[in-house]
Amino acid sequence: EAQVTQNPRYLITVTGKKLTVTCSQNMNHEYMSWYRQDPGLGLRQIYYSMNVEVTDKGDVPEGYKVSRKEKRNFPLILESPSPNQTSLYFCASSLSPLRTLGRDEQYFGPGTRLTVT
Amino acid sequence: GDSVTQMEGPVTLSEEAFLTINCTYTATGYPSLFWYVQYPGEGLQLLLKATKADDKGSNKGFEATYRKETTSFHLEKGSVQVSDSAVYFCALQTSGGYNKLIFGAGTRLAVHP
Repeated sequence: EAQVTQNPRYLITVTGKKLTVTCSQNMNHEYMSWYRQDPGLGLRQIYYSMNVEVTDKGDVPEGYKVSRKEKRNFPLILESPSPNQTSLYFCASSLSPLRTLGRDEQYFGPGTRLTVT
Repeated sequence: GDSVTQMEGPVTLSEEAFLTINCTYTATGYPSLFWYVQYPGEGLQLLLKATKADDKGSNKGFEATYRKETTSFHLEKGSVQVSDSAVYFCALQTSGGYNKLIFGAGTRLAVHP
């Protein structure tokens, strides 16, 4: 089954304790992206990756890191989490990083709810 | 910059009522427009899309028409069901070349029997 998976689905942690949220897709997609969802703000892009070893900042990258060493995986790293990073996080992927009709639909993972106390 | 504005929720309807969720956008160039749906506890699913002016996207009884003159992409359904209860997000895909989505704040729909 074609899908985007995220782990963990729920995480409660304390300020300053490094954590990683994993994202994996089995569709051989080139483009992957992380979003955070906050009430009243919709989804905002954190980082994206056009392909292996190619990553760039989205609209709200502060406090986050990513890596793309393999095509299927795109982990989100919080080196020193703070309470303002409490949010619902979504990973997404698409076949093409460009607006190419028929190849750019984004598929979303189930989300990771993170609470930082 | 590019942005999407959705009507605030929650929207509460009785089963079989008519649904409209308003969405307007600000964008340069020619964006593509989308509606995504998020059911409780799940990720986002693409509901419908339109890639150019006057296109109508439709799926599962939902429709939306890309109106460039009013910069709108309102979501409609003639007869809602309890199973349509979810959060609906309007989004645009920027025309700058790469595949970036900009989302509205989301509108929660609750349908009662």
